[in-house]
Order: sequence, then structure tokens, then C-alpha cells
Amino acid sequence: TQLLEQSPQFLSIQEGENLTVYCNSSSVFSSLQWYRQEPGEGPVLLVTVVTGGEVKKLKRLTFQFGDARKDSSLHITAAQPGDTGLYLCAGEFLTTDSWGKLQFGAGTQVVVTP
Amino acid sequence: NAGVTQTPKFQVLKTGQSMTLQCAQDMNHEYMSWYRQDPGMGLRLIHYSVGAGITDQGEVPNGYNVSRSTTEDFPLRLLSAAPSQTSVYFCAAGEGLYEQYFGPGTRLTVT
Repeated sequence: TQLLEQSPQFLSIQEGENLTVYCNSSSVFSSLQWYRQEPGEGPVLLVTVVTGGEVKKLKRLTFQFGDARKDSSLHITAAQPGDTGLYLCAGEFLTTDSWGKLQFGAGTQVVVTP
Repeated sequence: NAGVTQTPKFQVLKTGQSMTLQCAQDMNHEYMSWYRQDPGMGLRLIHYSVGAGITDQGEVPNGYNVSRSTTEDFPLRLLSAAPSQTSVYFCAAGEGLYEQYFGPGTRLTVT
């Protein structure tokens, strides 16, 4: 099983500050997704990236996929308390034994206080 | 449109008991999967299915069985529950891996 690492594990910031969450692997992803999960609920898909160097924006959230497709970042501008949650990255690796399987990182818990 | 539904929401089992976690989707998606989520470990894939009649093992399949007789339903069976299976279980459905919709989860405790 390929390793998919997220950092930091925990992030606590004040409303209005910016934050960045990272997702890294030593193997190449065929695609990568970011999810947000709130307590007691299932993860909700935020974005899927598939092309190296791709940048996608979702309101105040900016997602980047590394040129080599081994890493990704999620940047939140002017964070709000509603951004609080567990942020998970998940990838399908570019190997035959990984086809059809999504592997998740351990997640980054983000807390935004007013 | 309910999306993905899971029952029950909570369950307590004694060691050795068996049970089935139900998962149903109304989006007509071919791909369905089961994950377990434990503290600090993210979600780990148990079993998945790319269509009716086709299932395959994920990262942590031991102790679990699945079947996919229809597009809509993908039940997960625990044959003989063990305390190590205490976890939160999520079912997901999607048209391939690019967009997965998750159910609300089943919180299982095995004593």
C-alpha cells in the first residue's frame, strides 16, 4: 500500500487568517480528491484534480496539484468558522494493484475561532 | 433524492455476533465501496464493487463479506464480530472514483 501523508495533523487559527494543508506521496497519483468532514457526518467532496500543475478554486479555497502529480495543497483565504472541519485528501495511485481503489490520508483537523 | 443511505446509525454487538450493515443509493452509480474510519487513521477501504455482481477486496477486508446483487444495494456483513471491528463505517457511491458520495455512517461498538 502506497503511503499518503497529510500535514499538519491539526491547525487552529483565528477568523480572517489564511491556512494551507498539504498532501504528499512518494508515488504518482492518477487523480486526487479533497474532502471535508464534519463531526457525525460522512466526508463531502470539495474537488477532484487530475492534471499535473492544475489549480482549481472554490470560493475562498484554492487547490493545487503538483507538476509531478505526487503532492497537492489546499489553501484557504480569510478563514471563517464555517471552514472548521476535518480535511481529507484521497488519491488513486497510478499502479495496476491500485486501480479502482481510493486511498485516504489521515486528515488535517482545522479549527477556526471567531 | 436521498443519495446514499446507511442503516443502522448506531449498533452495539457482543464478540462473536454477526450482523449486516445496510447501504443503498438512488443515484444509479456503478461504483460502491465500504470504508472504516478509526481515530488518526483516515478512511481505510474494506471492499468495493464496480457494478452488480462484481466485488473486490480493499486494504482491510478480513472479517467482512460483501455482495452486490443490484446496482442500488451494497450490504457489508460481519461474520463474527471482534472488538477490533469497533469503528465508524462509511458507504460511498460514485460514477467511478472521481466523485464519491458518502453516507452518514454507522457507528459500531463490539464489546
